[in-house]
Amino acid sequence: DVKVTQSSRYLVKRTGEKVFLECVQDMDHENMFWYRQDPGLGLRLIYFSYDVKMKEKGDIPEGYSVSREKKERFSLILESASTNQTSMYLCASSLRPLAGKYEQYFGPGTRLTVT
Amino acid sequence: AQKITQTQPGMFVQEKEAVTLDCTYDTSDPSYGLFWYKQPSSGEMIFLIYQGSYDQQNATEGRYSLNFQKARKSANLVISASQLGDSAMYFCAMRDESNTGNQFYFGTGTSLTVIP
Repeated sequence: DVKVTQSSRYLVKRTGEKVFLECVQDMDHENMFWYRQDPGLGLRLIYFSYDVKMKEKGDIPEGYSVSREKKERFSLILESASTNQTSMYLCASSLRPLAGKYEQYFGPGTRLTVT
Repeated sequence: AQKITQTQPGMFVQEKEAVTLDCTYDTSDPSYGLFWYKQPSSGEMIFLIYQGSYDQQNATEGRYSLNFQKARKSANLVISASQLGDSAMYFCAMRDESNTGNQFYFGTGTSLTVIP
């Protein structure tokens, strides 16, 4: 079974703190993704990576950065947390074929509260 | 621009009845994949069904089927014989198969409640 794990299920941080969210997958997937999920807005892509040290901005990258030093690990960094970054953060991974039924596998999510 | 549109924020269905969840998409890429995911209240995202843009037949997986109408750019999920455990959020997603990272685009979701 593909497993995607996230470092924390719940996290409470103060405004201005630097926050690290870690994601690890164990199936040698090339692609990894970070989303935030907010009620009524669905899943919005923050960043994705298709290879080690490669990253591309998604729809809402402002206030976030990412790091992918190893294939299995993709980190999301909030440089200076703000209250509007309170959200559920979902990590996902997938193979990178040209086409086909290669779905994303999701981690359990991290519910981040910034006070 | 919105790539995936789900116009039904909430739906109700009687247990054992069938229900259709709507999804329309927007792409100019001839090669793409369409996915449906279920998210129960526990929060995990569960993959349900996939339809490729070149697939001639509608996809089916058990009680789930995908009504794929390519010309109308719609990919509706049909759940037959609804069960109480089907109560969840349902997300439609599209994978753009033209770019390097195979980016996925998600809709805003439909909350389905199955009534006993």
